Amino acid sequence: AQTVTQSQPEMSVQEAETVTLSCTYDTSESDYYLFWYKQPPSRQMILVIRQEAYKQQNATENRFSVNFQKAAKSFSLKISDSQLGDAAMYFCASKWGAQKLVFGQGTRLTINP
Amino acid sequence: GAGVSQSPSNKVTEKGKDVELRCDPISGHTALYWYRQSLGQGLEFLIYFQGNSAPDKSGLPSDRFSAERTGGSVSTLTIQRTQQEDSAVYLCASSLASQTQETQYFGPGTRLLVL
Repeated sequence: AQTVTQSQPEMSVQEAETVTLSCTYDTSESDYYLFWYKQPPSRQMILVIRQEAYKQQNATENRFSVNFQKAAKSFSLKISDSQLGDAAMYFCASKWGAQKLVFGQGTRLTINP
Repeated sequence: GAGVSQSPSNKVTEKGKDVELRCDPISGHTALYWYRQSLGQGLEFLIYFQGNSAPDKSGLPSDRFSAERTGGSVSTLTIQRTQQEDSAVYLCASSLASQTQETQYFGPGTRLLVL
């Protein structure tokens, strides 16, 4: 079975500090994409960042970046200069072969002022 | 432009009643997905449409669940004879196409509570 695992149910960070959320996945596919989604209390899932597996360069979107280790099947999200608005559930997801997204269990991120 | 919209935002129903949940995808998106988010099960895939056809229904938990899509646009997820375990947030997403590289964009979800 294809799986995505987030081992940190909860994380907290001081405002303006840096935090890293972990994600590992399992696949035998060569063509796949990895995503981080953010879900604030409003429930809407918002795409934070995506990574194409064939690209060696780590994706970056402003304060958000990933550390993609293909051999280790690891895909962590780094949030720099954390802001109060970053507080949310973060879901790691993968998409390969089949068209559905497979999600991890989520990490609840708290930002301490 | 407009994002994915879902209605109703919240739905409370009694056990045994039927409910219909609606999803309006982003205009021009040919692929549409339904997911369910519950406390015990996390985020689960239910069904996916490419155009009006559903190539993958593997996630529908029972024959009480069905979905259709008309005109390559709006989709309705129907749950018959609702049970308390159906209580969850039902999320809809759409993408430009169904290829692996396409990003799925989500709606705000419908929170269903079965009493």
